[in-house]
Amino acid sequence: QSALTQPPSASGSPGQSVTISCTGTSSDVGGYNYVSWYQQHPGKAPKLIIYEVSKRPSGVPDRFSGSKSGNTASLTVSGLQAEDEADYYCSSYAGGNNLVVFGGGTKLTVL
Amino acid sequence: EVQLVESGGGLVQPGRSLRLSCAASGFNFDDFAMHWVRQAPGKALEWVSGISWNGGITDYADSVKGRFTISRDNAKNSLYLQMNSLRTEDTALYYCAKDWYSSSWYWFDPWGQGTLVTVSS
Repeated sequence: QSALTQPPSASGSPGQSVTISCTGTSSDVGGYNYVSWYQQHPGKAPKLIIYEVSKRPSGVPDRFSGSKSGNTASLTVSGLQAEDEADYYCSSYAGGNNLVVFGGGTKLTVL
Repeated sequence: EVQLVESGGGLVQPGRSLRLSCAASGFNFDDFAMHWVRQAPGKALEWVSGISWNGGITDYADSVKGRFTISRDNAKNSLYLQMNSLRTEDTALYYCAKDWYSSSWYWFDPWGQGTLVTVSS
């Protein structure tokens, strides 16, 4: 069982927006602004798409955005495209015994 | 171009040992912390271990503490994971990942392609 809770699936049609939630506790998501999001296509390594809650690495389209409220972080994908179909994982620094925790992953389907 | 190439995976019996390696290139290896993250088949990502730029700080997930040891050789641009007392639940694809900082465990980019470890009798 993962430390952070994500919905197992999400979907949207091309051009639509979809938001994926990531719920933790005050010991991880709520306690630090060290939330990140990773995109993983089938058979590929994860790729960092959001760091420090809402920042995008160079090369990541601005269709991807992140936010946080309390113990819940969110990833929004706007203007959905076919290539956005992938698994998405949130992660947070936790500061305890397990210093980094991940969510269970959300499979995003573009209808 | 930053490259991380893992090796050393394979089939091993429960209770035995295995050593993973990660060869890094394309960046100043000794400026950055490094991590191992694993993914069991069809499952989520799980952080396993991290090591600071000079090896002075190491941390482990509770699930591997006391059994796994992370290390690095900056002269060889290489990261290692010594895995002892392996269990069936350690079966996973093990990724090597670069941290953005020298001694923090915040976010990882990029990742290698992974090396598969299968623990089975």
